[in-house]
Amino acid sequence: ETGVTQTPRHLVMGMTNKKSLKCEQHLGHNAMYWYKQSAKKPLELMFVYNFKEQTENNSVPSRFSPECPNSSHLFLHLHTLQPEDSALYLCASSQDGPSDPGGYTFGSGTRLTVV
Amino acid sequence: GQSLEQPSEVTAVEGAIVQINCTYQTSGFYGLSWYQQHDGGAPTFLSYNALDGLEETGRFSSFLSRSDSYGYLLLQELQMKDSASYFCAGLYSNYQLIWGAGTKLIIKP
Repeated sequence: ETGVTQTPRHLVMGMTNKKSLKCEQHLGHNAMYWYKQSAKKPLELMFVYNFKEQTENNSVPSRFSPECPNSSHLFLHLHTLQPEDSALYLCASSQDGPSDPGGYTFGSGTRLTVV
Repeated sequence: GQSLEQPSEVTAVEGAIVQINCTYQTSGFYGLSWYQQHDGGAPTFLSYNALDGLEETGRFSSFLSRSDSYGYLLLQELQMKDSASYFCAGLYSNYQLIWGAGTKLIIKP
């Protein structure tokens, strides 16, 4: 148990489907993040929420839509994805925002396959 | 842009010592973190160096040299459970962590 829980662990979806990824943390952290992890590539930061406000959107396509209803929950809504979006999607949280390099707690990720 | 370079794969023998290097770009650099990720698992934080020198935590140590723009993770008394991917990540002045592509550590008995 890492303190950050992601569901589902695996997801297969067609390109016309709509699905959502869920992330939950009860660590009392103030910042939450979505990362994309592809094989042999650096982790790509997608979105940052600091005190429930989105502070970063790293040029992510609009087919990915984040939602942060409270400081403990983060969603990533997916629609009309492409096969190249297949990857491991990681959620993370930290106490003091993006400038806290040692305090990132990650979930185990959702393995997404787009067919 | 900012990027970090680390070897894609390192092989070592159980009980030995291994060093995983990471080079980074200096503009706006604050410090260097290391994370461990087992297959199918979550990345977990190992260490953070903001100052030059060696930081030791049990069998793992991390080193930073700002003058050489590089750091390394040193793993001693390797155990099979240390087989994992190791990521360096640089904290920069735009408050983003920039990640390396990861080093897969293979340990042989």
